[in-house]
Amino acid sequence: QKEVEQDPGPLSVPEGAIVSLNCTYSNSAFQYFMWYRQYSRKGPELLMYTYSSGNKEDGRFTAQVDKSSKYISLFIRDSQPSDSATYLCAMSGQAGTALIFGKGTTLSVSS
Amino acid sequence: DSGVTQTPKHLITATGQRVTLRCSPRSGDLSVYWYQQSLDQGLQFLIQYYNGEERAKGNILERFSAQQFPDLHSELNLSSLELGDSALYFCASSVRPLLAGDTQYFGPGTRLTVL
Repeated sequence: QKEVEQDPGPLSVPEGAIVSLNCTYSNSAFQYFMWYRQYSRKGPELLMYTYSSGNKEDGRFTAQVDKSSKYISLFIRDSQPSDSATYLCAMSGQAGTALIFGKGTTLSVSS
Repeated sequence: DSGVTQTPKHLITATGQRVTLRCSPRSGDLSVYWYQQSLDQGLQFLIQYYNGEERAKGNILERFSAQQFPDLHSELNLSSLELGDSALYFCASSVRPLLAGDTQYFGPGTRLTVL
């Protein structure tokens, strides 16, 4: 079993839809959770950063962490064609240490 | 633009050769991380440096080595290249490991093709 599991998709939604992206993990030592967005042939761009359990909101993006279920989510409201990208979850046990990534979910938002 | 720079953008070479990838971290960042991204394995951590010293090693092959220089730029050396080394290589930087809230910012990557 991989430490971090993420459905690769692809996920196709119409513009304006609410998108839900998820990851599960097996290592209970993970405390820091991140979502990165990666456009084709570009470097990952940090979207959301969460410590421990709880919710965090930033504009159209909401990150949720449920440590009891070892499950993290990213919600995108009012999705736009510019949101079309691969979304990678990442996590670590300590701040500033190696990140363990999911394989990424490819999202396509059509206008 | 994350502020992390990587050169070259693309590299095409032959099996058995050696290449050097270069990374300059964001201004003020002391830690550099190298990751490899392939289609089948996803993003995998290779090695981390902090202020010139190796801090952590991940799935880095013995044919690969890295260093961080006094000006904090880093180089990843890949030798005796094999077809399977073809991948995207990313550098990331952060201010200081173990600092609460420390996050990694990624460069644009170097695409390595081994023929």
